[in-house]
Amino acid sequence: GESVGLHLPTLSVQEGDNSIINCAYSNSASDYFIWYKQESGKGPQFIIDIRSNMDKRQGQRVTVLLNKTVKHLSLQIAATQPGDSAVYFCAENRSRGGGNKLTFGTGTQLKVEL
Amino acid sequence: GAVVSQHPSWVICKSGTSVKIECRSLDFQATTMFWYRQFPKQSLMLMATSNEGSKATYEQGVEKDKFLINHASLTLSTLTVTSAHPEDSSFYICSAGQNEKLFFGSGTQLSVL
Repeated sequence: GESVGLHLPTLSVQEGDNSIINCAYSNSASDYFIWYKQESGKGPQFIIDIRSNMDKRQGQRVTVLLNKTVKHLSLQIAATQPGDSAVYFCAENRSRGGGNKLTFGTGTQLKVEL
Repeated sequence: GAVVSQHPSWVICKSGTSVKIECRSLDFQATTMFWYRQFPKQSLMLMATSNEGSKATYEQGVEKDKFLINHASLTLSTLTVTSAHPEDSSFYICSAGQNEKLFFGSGTQLSVL
């Protein structure tokens, strides 16, 4: 959903543990979802995407799960490393027939503790 | 992935002056680019969609006369913040798409004194 100016929720994990970051989206018509990583003072970096005809997709150390029934998206990071510390945003594509107009979620601050 | 270059990375200006931010797609052509604004600890808010060769489309609540967008070529879009005021201080980010994936510039931190 749209950000409404709230402080970012924070997830703290120990190095080596798995991280799970959750996101709820609002529009059942959205058919394309993306996870971005944003480090301080930088632009968002593409991590992984998934289409609505799938419920799971895996990348290198990352997995995205999509539950269309409850409009929920999650990002799982295996063996979390200090370099994974950043803010993670989910984004949904609400444009029918193509187009890249994304709406971003609130974001989650991931902190990796040594 | 595709590379989107944004310049400058940061700018400090006096109140009342105008600031131009450039966004370039380096290795692909982009008929559409997007401009976002981000306040500290908050998400990205879409300001406008920049269309090559035509007028930009602004989101509700974004003043088109204050945030001028020009998309004169398939690889360059510019955002000009006119008559900047301290409340315009923010992190501005552009993006461009390739095959439905959006790639982002590194952002511009604008500070208006």
